[in-house]
Amino acid sequence: EAQVTQNPRYLITVTGKKLTVTCSQNMNHEYMSWYRQDPGLGLRQIYYSMNVEVTDKGDVPEGYKVSRKEKRNFPLILESPSPNQTSLYFCASRLDRLNTEAFFGQGTRLTVV
Amino acid sequence: TQLLEQSPQFLSIQEGENLTVYCNSSSVFSSLQWYRQEPGEGPVLLVTVVTGGEVKKLKRLTFQFGDARKDSSLHITAAQPGDTGLYLCAGVASGSARQLTFGSGTQLTVLP
Repeated sequence: EAQVTQNPRYLITVTGKKLTVTCSQNMNHEYMSWYRQDPGLGLRQIYYSMNVEVTDKGDVPEGYKVSRKEKRNFPLILESPSPNQTSLYFCASRLDRLNTEAFFGQGTRLTVV
Repeated sequence: TQLLEQSPQFLSIQEGENLTVYCNSSSVFSSLQWYRQEPGEGPVLLVTVVTGGEVKKLKRLTFQFGDARKDSSLHITAAQPGDTGLYLCAGVASGSARQLTFGSGTQLTVLP
């Protein structure tokens, strides 16, 4: 089954404790992205990657890091989480061509206290 | 300010009514997509419109892409409670690095 898998689904952590949210896709897609979703703001892109070892900042990259060492995996790293990073996070993948469908993971609800 | 502005932000209607959701921008888009998101899930694609002026129908849903490729609308005829959800427009702006940008979303509630 074609899918994007994120883990964990829920995470509560304390300020400053490094964490990683994993994302994996099995569709051989070149393009992967991370978004955060906050009420009234829709989905805002954090980082994206057009292929292995190619990553770039989205609209809200501050406080986040990513890596793309393999085509299927695109982890999101928060080196020192802060309460304003409490949000719902989505990983997405798609073929690197115009007009293609984005496939989303089920989301990770992160709370930083 | 967001690249894609959606209106209304919230919409609550009775079963059987018609509604239209708008997605507007000052930028030109290569294509616009509409997604629907249910609680606890990621967005799922409904449709992609590519050509200016294009109209696509998906059962009771009608999608239109503006002639200038800067705006789009979603019209639902005879809404049903199963249509309840968050509707998001998204697009790749011309000249962007294939970044898919989302609007702020319209939360639709259809009451039985």
